[in-house]
Amino acid sequence: DAGVTQSPTHLIKTRGQQVTLRCSPKSGHDTVSWYQQALGQGPQFIFQYYEEEERQRGNFPDRFSGHQFPNYSSELNVNALLLGDSALYLCASSFGAGWGYTFGSGTRLTVV
Amino acid sequence: TQLLEQSPQFLSIQEGENLTVYCNSSSVFSSLQWYRQEPGEGPVLLVTVVTGGEVKKLKRLTFQFGDARKDSSLHITAAQPGDTGLYLCAGPLPTGTASKLTFGTGTRLQVTL
Repeated sequence: DAGVTQSPTHLIKTRGQQVTLRCSPKSGHDTVSWYQQALGQGPQFIFQYYEEEERQRGNFPDRFSGHQFPNYSSELNVNALLLGDSALYLCASSFGAGWGYTFGSGTRLTVV
Repeated sequence: TQLLEQSPQFLSIQEGENLTVYCNSSSVFSSLQWYRQEPGEGPVLLVTVVTGGEVKKLKRLTFQFGDARKDSSLHITAAQPGDTGLYLCAGPLPTGTASKLTFGTGTRLQVTL
């Protein structure tokens, strides 16, 4: 049973560029949440998708947007990248409103 | 302002020692979770505590939820190098739904031979 799959694993971008990160949830899960984890910190909630709609959002600017597809996979898009966007981006999947989260291994984004 | 504060931030101990990690908040949580995260990996759920005063044991790990549901602790007995990692507590935001987790600041544990 495959867990949560994220791609790519590592990414280097230049300030001002745009990036798209991808997540495939665990089989049987229909909800995807995205978190940003800066070095040495706990993960910070970005937003959550359920039934292809953004259900909740954390304290992140509009430069951060997302999408969920009919097969429950999800994308995280970040526009106009800043140096401070450098972090590990984690995707977590769950079923419905429950929070038995399964996390992916993350995408390490470096903005130079 | 961090809703969940963990202490200590860093802990370096030798194999066989005991340790306790604390997770504190001024807010009441309906439940709290503990995760362990290894370098290059996502957090892995260790336990969920849901009742004030609850104690759960997972082999050498003992988790406790405070009576007032504002704090939790993780005690490791006879630590092993395999326990090395970042320990995170997390709970649903009091004003949010159960599926939106807020994480603590983390405790980085290193266990050496």
